[in-house]
Amino acid sequence: GAGVSQSPSNKVTEKGKDVELRCDPISGHTALYWYRQSLGQGLEFLIYFQGNSAPDKSGLPSDRFSAERTGGSVSTLTIQRTQQEDSAVYLCASSWQGAKETQYFGPGTRLLVL
Amino acid sequence: QKEVEQNSGPLSVPEGAIASLNCTYSDRGSQSFFWYRQYSGKSPELIMFIYSNGDKEDGRFTAQLNKASQYVSLLIRDSQPSDSATYLCAVRGGSRLTFGEGTQLTVNP
Repeated sequence: GAGVSQSPSNKVTEKGKDVELRCDPISGHTALYWYRQSLGQGLEFLIYFQGNSAPDKSGLPSDRFSAERTGGSVSTLTIQRTQQEDSAVYLCASSWQGAKETQYFGPGTRLLVL
Repeated sequence: QKEVEQNSGPLSVPEGAIASLNCTYSDRGSQSFFWYRQYSGKSPELIMFIYSNGDKEDGRFTAQLNKASQYVSLLIRDSQPSDSATYLCAVRGGSRLTFGEGTQLTVNP
């Protein structure tokens, strides 16, 4: 079946603008994760959704970052008033049922803030 | 101390050799351990996971876990040029995965 999809694949924006990144998880996967990967670095956890539970937002770097997940499926990560240090690849992953299961990653959105 | 540390690399091995990738973690409560491979410009893909002490083999790959030493490794036997990538160690405690910064492996033909 289809894997995790993300859009857009690339986004260039100006400093101070807001951006929205979309993730469509694998059908049937109840857990969804957002990560950020800066150039040459490992993955930084941002937020985790599991079913109807309150999300784990502990990785969000500032209040400019927010995410929601509608209907237990598609998720949107929003970055307000973007800064140059927000430039990175934003990766979404999903898993079956949650924390104990293997995570499958989408292709990522490459964000460049000028 | 970083939560998950990997040998800094880059690591270069000749084709057919064994590549050894190492990872240490700080949280003794960590429950499960994963190795992901990431080709340049691509997203990570899972190679192996291991939950119990000892070795776990899958084809040319062997994961080794020693919880007492807080150490997990990945051995790649008969390395191929197509194995050239960055290998990410990830450790789960609770709901999140914590990733190391990765080790870049180059297999020379």
